[in-house]
Amino acid sequence: GAGVSQTPSNKVTEKGKYVELRCDPISGHTALYWYRQSLGQGPEFLIYFQGTGAADDSGLPNDRFFAVRPEGSVSTLKIQRTERGDSAVYLCASSLLRHNNEQFFGPGTRLTVL
Amino acid sequence: QQQVKQSPQSLIVQKGGISIINCAYENTAFDYFPWYQQFPGKGPALLIAIRPDVSEKKEGRFTISFNKSAKQFSLHIMDSQPGDSATYFCAASRVRDDKIIFGKGTRLHILP
Repeated sequence: GAGVSQTPSNKVTEKGKYVELRCDPISGHTALYWYRQSLGQGPEFLIYFQGTGAADDSGLPNDRFFAVRPEGSVSTLKIQRTERGDSAVYLCASSLLRHNNEQFFGPGTRLTVL
Repeated sequence: QQQVKQSPQSLIVQKGGISIINCAYENTAFDYFPWYQQFPGKGPALLIAIRPDVSEKKEGRFTISFNKSAKQFSLHIMDSQPGDSATYFCAASRVRDDKIIFGKGTRLHILP
């Protein structure tokens, strides 16, 4: 079966631009997570969705970051006015149920802000 | 404050040897401790996980040892193989929460 997919795999943008990163979770998984992984670091939690709603967005670094999951499946992470410090790999994960800690990760989107 | 501290940062082991990676945590409310394996260009993949009601869990060549009183846990890879060369992350979470807190990772290289 298909795993978590993320598009694009790589995104290069200029400082100040807007970007959207897409995540397709495993079919039937109700929980969806976004993490950010900087070079040489472990993933850091950004936001968690249960169904369509953001149940925990405590990891979003500031209001330039926003994520949606309008139909409870695909999610989009949106970053406004990108900064060089936003450069990282953005990982998406999904799990079958809430409070089921087995999260399945996608390959990530490598974002480079010039 | 780093909630999950992992060591060493990098590790080189001969083929057939035992690889040992250590982690320590701060929050006693954590009740789920997974280890993730990540290859270059890939997302992390769950390797093995343990809950604090047991002191050891073994799956094939991979074993987690857990010391609740010391707030420490470790991953042992027996008979290490070149294909085990990857970055390993320890992590922790609370079952009733949803986010996983990761360590900074250990780059493991197994010499052929």
